[in-house]
Amino acid sequence: DAGITQSPRYKITETGRQVTLMCHQTWSHSYMFWYRQDLGHGLRLIYYSAAADITDKGEVPDGYVVSRSKTENFPLTLESATRSQTSVYFCASSDGTFYEQYFGPGTRLTVT
Amino acid sequence: QKEVEQNSGPLSVPEGAIASLNCTYSDRGSQSFFWYRQYSGKSPELIMSIYSNGDKEDGRFTAQLNKASQYVSLLIRDSQPSDSATYLCAVNNNAGNMLTFGGGTRLMVKP
Repeated sequence: DAGITQSPRYKITETGRQVTLMCHQTWSHSYMFWYRQDLGHGLRLIYYSAAADITDKGEVPDGYVVSRSKTENFPLTLESATRSQTSVYFCASSDGTFYEQYFGPGTRLTVT
Repeated sequence: QKEVEQNSGPLSVPEGAIASLNCTYSDRGSQSFFWYRQYSGKSPELIMSIYSNGDKEDGRFTAQLNKASQYVSLLIRDSQPSDSATYLCAVNNNAGNMLTFGGGTRLMVKP
């Protein structure tokens, strides 16, 4: 049972490049979330999705794009990476029944 | 703004002692409460959920909820060095499926 996976686990990119972080879950959870975690700011919600083709902004959506064509996948794209987007990114999913969220292993992104 | 507050710590306890972690929240409409454990360099791991006032026990962990006072706590009995981690409190107010996270409390259990 793979659960929820993220790829890549580590990524170094340059300012201005487009980067896509992948998230895949095998639980058929309807809800999926993207967070970033930075020292001093804790976990902040970037985008979330209630179902395939339904997405909505979270607390810090600027500079990010999401899509969800299939229930199991929820990619996060940085259209033009900036140094301020250097962070650890976590994907999470929830079946929506009791609001419990389960996190993937994270992607550590460095923008140079 | 809906807030969840935690003391950042570090909270240092000796091995075998009870560790008490506290969390307060501002939204009186909050209905679901969670504790996550996060080891350094790892992702948050759900360890406790609590939905009604009172205590909920699971092994060495006890979650306590007091909606009137708007606080939720986590007690760890017989603390072990392996419990050393950051503990995140998260709250859902049932207006959507989102969680609001506190900044976390770093717990250090000394042998």
